[in-house]
Amino acid sequence: DGGITQSPKYLFRKEGQNVTLSCEQNLNHDAMYWYRQDPGQGLRLIYYSQIVNDFQKGDIAEGYSVSREKKESFPLTVTSAQKNPTAFYLCATRQGGPNSPLHFGNGTRLTVT
Amino acid sequence: QKEVEQNSGPLSVPEGAIASLNCTYSDRGSQSFFWYRQYSGKSPELIMSIYSNGDKEDGRFTAQLNKASQYVSLLIRDSQPSDSATYLCAVNRGRGYQKVTFGTGTKLQVIP
Repeated sequence: DGGITQSPKYLFRKEGQNVTLSCEQNLNHDAMYWYRQDPGQGLRLIYYSQIVNDFQKGDIAEGYSVSREKKESFPLTVTSAQKNPTAFYLCATRQGGPNSPLHFGNGTRLTVT
Repeated sequence: QKEVEQNSGPLSVPEGAIASLNCTYSDRGSQSFFWYRQYSGKSPELIMSIYSNGDKEDGRFTAQLNKASQYVSLLIRDSQPSDSATYLCAVNRGRGYQKVTFGTGTKLQVIP
């Protein structure tokens, strides 16, 4: 059953703690993306990766880190340096070049108090 | 100027009417344009993609692209209450056009 799995669906953390969000795909897609969505807002790009062991900063990378050690996995760490971490986080994949659409996981809703 | 701009709405249309959603973008080099639908609390799902000037139709949906005016639109014919959602416009940009930038979305309400 092919797809993009984000876990957990809901995540709660205390302020000052780092937290890692999981994104796993079995679509064999080369590119993976992380977005953040705040209430009533569009999606903002955090990081993206076109191939294993390579990734680029998006528009709001400060306070976040990623790794791409395997094609199937692109975990996102929200560090304590991120000022407003509470948000809906979406992972997406893409196969092919820029003309290909993104496919999204179901998202992780992170709440930091 | 924002890279991708949409009117946030809400856009209210009666059931059976045509809903028209608009999007402008700033990067003249962008070549790929996408419309996504997002229901509240859910992830976006692709409706249509368009790459060439003109119209592209898929069922009740028509995407329109005008690169000279840097404008892309989505028409929904015979709108249904189930079409009520937020519609996101997305555009490729950046080096190699690998970045995908989204607008803030237009909330559509179809009134029965």
